[in-house]
Amino acid sequence: DAKTTQPNSMESNEEEPVHLPCNHSTISGTDYIHWYRQLPSQGPEYVIHGLTSNVNNRMASLAIAEDRKSSTLILHRATLRDAAVYYCIPSGTYKYIFGTGTRLKVLA
Amino acid sequence: AAGVIQSPRHLIKEKRETATLKCYPIPRHDTVYWYQQGPGQDPQFLISFYEKMQSDKGSIPDRFSAQQFSDYHSELNMSSLELGDSALYFCASSLGGPGGRQFFGPGTRLTVL
Repeated sequence: DAKTTQPNSMESNEEEPVHLPCNHSTISGTDYIHWYRQLPSQGPEYVIHGLTSNVNNRMASLAIAEDRKSSTLILHRATLRDAAVYYCIPSGTYKYIFGTGTRLKVLA
Repeated sequence: AAGVIQSPRHLIKEKRETATLKCYPIPRHDTVYWYQQGPGQDPQFLISFYEKMQSDKGSIPDRFSAQQFSDYHSELNMSSLELGDSALYFCASSLGGPGGRQFFGPGTRLTVL
């Protein structure tokens, strides 16, 4: 299982972009990089995932380093509703290991 | 849109009792995952099933067992309950093999007294 390292916490001002980094240097070649988030008192929620190329969806963008040992989740304009714990999870199987994640605080 | 259904939503048991948690995946989803989240902790992967076969196993105690039935719903059976089993248990479902987007249910809160 690939190990991940994420900052424990980050802060952002509302309406500003947020870059959430994740180091996954032990990722295997077939692992996708998944990002989930967990809002307070809710179950985890899918954000985005990718393999090698950068990915965009209406929620976020995912930038993947060329060597795939790190990735960055980009929220283009943080809102108060984006306050959550963000987890990056490398996985190519049916086993998803949630690390400690990054707690994002959004300031009004 | 239909979501993942978990029942019961809340369950209170005594130590050494048994509990059964049920998960009904989104229609046509063929993969189910179970997670345990203790108070103030991150979700811990327990076990997953694809097409009614166990696919991966995480930190699931031997006292726990699970299966996925022909209609794709899944049950997590927990025996000899301990105080430390008190947690939120999430089920998630996905479609089409590993790496599929997981949709999480609302969770079952288990309290062991």
